[in-house]
Amino acid sequence: GENVEQHPSTLSVQEGDSAVIKCTYSDSASNYFPWYKQELGKRPQLIIDIRSNVGEKKDQRIAVTLNKTAKHFSLHITETQPEDSAVYFCAAIEDQAGTALIFGKGTTLSVSS
Amino acid sequence: DAGITQSPRHKVTETGTPVTLRCHQTENHRYMYWYRQDPGHGLRLIHYSYGVKDTDKGEVSDGYSVSRSKTEDFLLTLESATSSQTSVYFCAILGVGNEQFFGPGTRLTVL
Repeated sequence: GENVEQHPSTLSVQEGDSAVIKCTYSDSASNYFPWYKQELGKRPQLIIDIRSNVGEKKDQRIAVTLNKTAKHFSLHITETQPEDSAVYFCAAIEDQAGTALIFGKGTTLSVSS
Repeated sequence: DAGITQSPRHKVTETGTPVTLRCHQTENHRYMYWYRQDPGHGLRLIHYSYGVKDTDKGEVSDGYSVSRSKTEDFLLTLESATSSQTSVYFCAILGVGNEQFFGPGTRLTVL
């Protein structure tokens, strides 16, 4: 089955810096890669996703890149702000209806002002 | 929030007691999931459902059972709670584009 590794487990940056979180996956059949943000005491919220027919996707200050050959994908946050502080989870799945996501263990991002 | 609610939101119980958590959705989604979240382990799948009375096991299903008698409700039961089942439990649904959306969570403490 699929296995997702996520690094680093914690990341501290200064406000305005960029942050990068990396994930690797094991199942070459996986073709859908979402990222979730979870604030303290809240539910995980989908912030961006990418499918295997695309190499990069951007949404304002966040972007995700995918390298299918190397089986890794990354989340990039530019111009970080204190409100970006949260736990971020990557996930992977073979995009069939109903299949459950396999999650990485999460990265705690702290943005200090 | 994809019309997902969970009840109760918090529960404290004793070892050996049965516990049922409820996930309710209002948008007629076919697929529903139960995850548990623990520090250092991320989100792990317990059980999922692909329709009324259709369920299957996930990665950490031991000690848990589920039922889905109506499209809108997916119940998770701990037949005899143990301290290792202290966790935060999230229900999720599968949206139109195969994205998963989560409920608000239930914090369960087993003493």
